[in-house]
Amino acid sequence: AQTVTQSQPEMSVQEAETVTLSCTYDTSENNYYLFWYKQPPSRQMILVIRQEAYKQQNATENRFSVNFQKAAKSFSLKISDSQLGDTAMYFCALNNNNDMRFGAGTRLTVKP
Amino acid sequence: DVKVTQSSRYLVKRTGEKVFLECVQDMDHENMFWYRQDPGLGLRLIYFSYDVKMKEKGDIPEGYSVSREKKERFSLILESASTNQTSMYLCASSLWSAGANVLTFGAGSRLTVL
Repeated sequence: AQTVTQSQPEMSVQEAETVTLSCTYDTSENNYYLFWYKQPPSRQMILVIRQEAYKQQNATENRFSVNFQKAAKSFSLKISDSQLGDTAMYFCALNNNNDMRFGAGTRLTVKP
Repeated sequence: DVKVTQSSRYLVKRTGEKVFLECVQDMDHENMFWYRQDPGLGLRLIYFSYDVKMKEKGDIPEGYSVSREKKERFSLILESASTNQTSMYLCASSLWSAGANVLTFGAGSRLTVL
């Protein structure tokens, strides 16, 4: 069975600083996809970034980047120049075919 | 610009009532999903459907059923609501993009069962 673990239930960061959210996973598959989703307060969950397991290069989307360590089964999200609008729940997810597993989430608060 | 619409944001029902949660997507996606979101547990899959009239059980299907009569609509049914079904319910649809199952979520339906 595939599992996703987010060990940080809550985190906070000062505006304009950098924060890293951790995610580890377990799968016996070699080809899979990893995602970070963001759920702002009372708003829809949206995709932040995704990583294909067969790609060694870490994905980047503007201020968001990942550190993908396949051997260690680690997939952390780095948010640079944090903004107040980054305050949200962040979910790490692992996808293999139709099996999509989510972590428990990390609540991030950006402080002014 | 709403693409996945859940009919009710907040519902309050009584134990034993039959509850319908409706979800409509306008992106012509094949796959649709119902998740339950609880604090500390993340998202857990209840049911998913990969085609009209097709359904597959997820991790926690007990106490739930689903209906997909049209491609754009996926309904979650609680035959006899219980207090332990108080939760946030998220509907999603997906498009296979370069082999990845990329989900688009609705805004969620927060159900309270008294």
